[in-house]
Amino acid sequence: AQKITQTQPGMFVQEKEAVTLDCTYDTSDPSYGLFWYKQPSSGEMIFLIYQGSYDQQNATEGRYSLNFQKARKSANLVISASQLGDSAMYFCAMREGGYSTLTFGKGTMLLVSP
Amino acid sequence: DTGVSQDPRHKITKRGQNVTFRCDPISEHNRLYWYRQTLGQGPEFLTYFQNEAQLEKSRLLSDRFSAERPKGSFSTLEIQRTEQGDSAMYLCASSELQGSRPGNTIYFGEGSWLTVV
Repeated sequence: AQKITQTQPGMFVQEKEAVTLDCTYDTSDPSYGLFWYKQPSSGEMIFLIYQGSYDQQNATEGRYSLNFQKARKSANLVISASQLGDSAMYFCAMREGGYSTLTFGKGTMLLVSP
Repeated sequence: DTGVSQDPRHKITKRGQNVTFRCDPISEHNRLYWYRQTLGQGPEFLTYFQNEAQLEKSRLLSDRFSAERPKGSFSTLEIQRTEQGDSAMYLCASSELQGSRPGNTIYFGEGSWLTVV
């Protein structure tokens, strides 16, 4: 079974609008972390935001926020006030407590239009 | 620039040749990871080191692949007798030593693109 599922292959948004990228996960480990990365065409994976399974509040980093719904096992990324430079692939990833590595979803391509 | 650096960024090789990629992690990061990413997919874990010790290897890492991290600093990933299926981007990443929580961020380099013709 897929541990990380990103159901949106592509998303389109106009500049200055908000957009939500979906991510659901599957784990039986009570301790885990959820990450979002941005990958522009250059290839580098850029860390955006982290949410721990025990964190009481949703994570926020500037224009990025994570809508964490633990019971639904979802960790959606919200980008407010989209910018042209936000056009990229976005990956959701999970690290389970007993492991050192990340498991990634297949990604969502975000295109921001003027 | 103090991020993760990888070299070369692009490599085109003929099938059957050997290739080697180098990764320099963020200074003082104990853990170093190698991932592979093919078109339309997310990165897949290959192997990781804690200092100079290789602690885990994925089933994706066939006998033709070998990774080293001498002295716990930079790392090399060698692919012997390359095949067309090896064409992918090879990403290196590093992190601090993981504590009791899974939150230590893994920082990635820009990747090394391999094309086997």
